[in-house]
Amino acid sequence: QPVLTQPPSSSASPGESARLTCTLPSDINIGNYNIYWYQQKPGSPPRYLLYYYSDLDKGQGSGVPSRFSGSKDASANTGILLISGLQSEDEGDYYCMIWTTNAVLFGGGTKLTAL
Amino acid sequence: EVQLVQSGTEVKKPGESLKISCKGSGYNFHDYGIGWVRQMPGKGLEWMGIIYPGDSETSYSPSFQGQVTISADKSVTTAYLQWSSLKASDSAMYYCARRYRIVGPQQSSYYFEHWGQGTLVTVSS
Repeated sequence: QPVLTQPPSSSASPGESARLTCTLPSDINIGNYNIYWYQQKPGSPPRYLLYYYSDLDKGQGSGVPSRFSGSKDASANTGILLISGLQSEDEGDYYCMIWTTNAVLFGGGTKLTAL
Repeated sequence: EVQLVQSGTEVKKPGESLKISCKGSGYNFHDYGIGWVRQMPGKGLEWMGIIYPGDSETSYSPSFQGQVTISADKSVTTAYLQWSSLKASDSAMYYCARRYRIVGPQQSSYYFEHWGQGTLVTVSS
């Protein structure tokens, strides 16, 4: 069972926004970590999208459109990936990840569908 | 250009041994950790462990400790993942990935930046 919790599926219409979440267990404080997001399409390895620590400390992967952005909801101990202006090519699986002192933790992934 | 090229598809029987590889190029191999990630059919990503080629130090996920061995040969810029006795449940896609350090204004951390193309391992009698 993955340590980081992601909804198995999500959907949005093209042009709308998709909001994907990644909830950390209560013993891991999201405030202490970068949240990394990856996109994976069938038959391909994961592709790094971005990281988010705070509004002052975030970064985009090479060639990743600016309509992909990250944030946190500290009160819910949750990382968020927002995809604005959803395009059909954004369909795929999305994984969150954190890198702790002792381990690399992935979420179970969310399958995003463009309706 | 950074590249990680993995060895090809493997079909093995339960109980057999296996060693798959991940060859790095386009960078100083000994300067970056190489991690291994498992993806079982239709499932998510699971971190298995990592090796730091500079000193061959390894770290394993508790879920994989004792089940696999990660090694590296700097002379051929290649990392390896091996099993001594495969099980059907080892059937999966295995990815290697290069660790990269990110230093931001408030935090420094690591992530997997570049990934190999994956090696499919099928274990069946």
